[in-house]
Amino acid sequence: EAGVVQSPRYKIIEKKQPVAFWCNPISGHNTLYWYRQNLGQGPELLIRYENEEAVDDSQLPKDRFSAERLKGVDSTLKIQPAELGDSAVYLCASSMEGQFYEQYFGPGTRLTVT
Amino acid sequence: AQRVTQPEKLLSVFKGAPVELKCNYSYSGSPELFWYVQYSRQRLQLLLRHISRESIKGFTADLNKGETSFHLKKPFAQEEDSAMYYCALSGLGGQNFVFGPGTRLSVLP
Repeated sequence: EAGVVQSPRYKIIEKKQPVAFWCNPISGHNTLYWYRQNLGQGPELLIRYENEEAVDDSQLPKDRFSAERLKGVDSTLKIQPAELGDSAVYLCASSMEGQFYEQYFGPGTRLTVT
Repeated sequence: AQRVTQPEKLLSVFKGAPVELKCNYSYSGSPELFWYVQYSRQRLQLLLRHISRESIKGFTADLNKGETSFHLKKPFAQEEDSAMYYCALSGLGGQNFVFGPGTRLSVLP
């Protein structure tokens, strides 16, 4: 079992450019989370999916961020346009339905916006 | 609003010494509290949750509702305990999941 898979692992873009991150959760995990982790801080939840439904997106900056999980399996998080302050590690996690306490994290995507 | 604070960014102890990682929270309701750990070059993973009342790798944590704290303790630290530790809380059903800023534990030989 590969665990939660994320790609790319690293991304460097110029400000105002778009960027997308992809996540494939552990097989059988209904719940998928996207977090942003700024340097020296803990992960901050951006959005949580139960299957294909976004059940908590209150922290997602909707003017520039969007996410989708069309078939209830893998998910994409997009930023358009990126700003300097978006530089961070973007983490994806998944858990079995109801077991929100045991989230399995991916390796993260480190985004640098120049 | 829910919040988790971890006052120490870095905690250094010698091998065999007791260790306590502090965590305080604010939440209007009955939260669930957790400790997550990230070892070097590994992924973030759950260490323990207050409901289970287990001791994992020698670590325990007691929820003190009066002091709104959930400190992580181990009587005898080992070098392999060196890692980043994050305290986290959630509301009912996983709502409002929040991580603290983390404490880096360094266990010196």
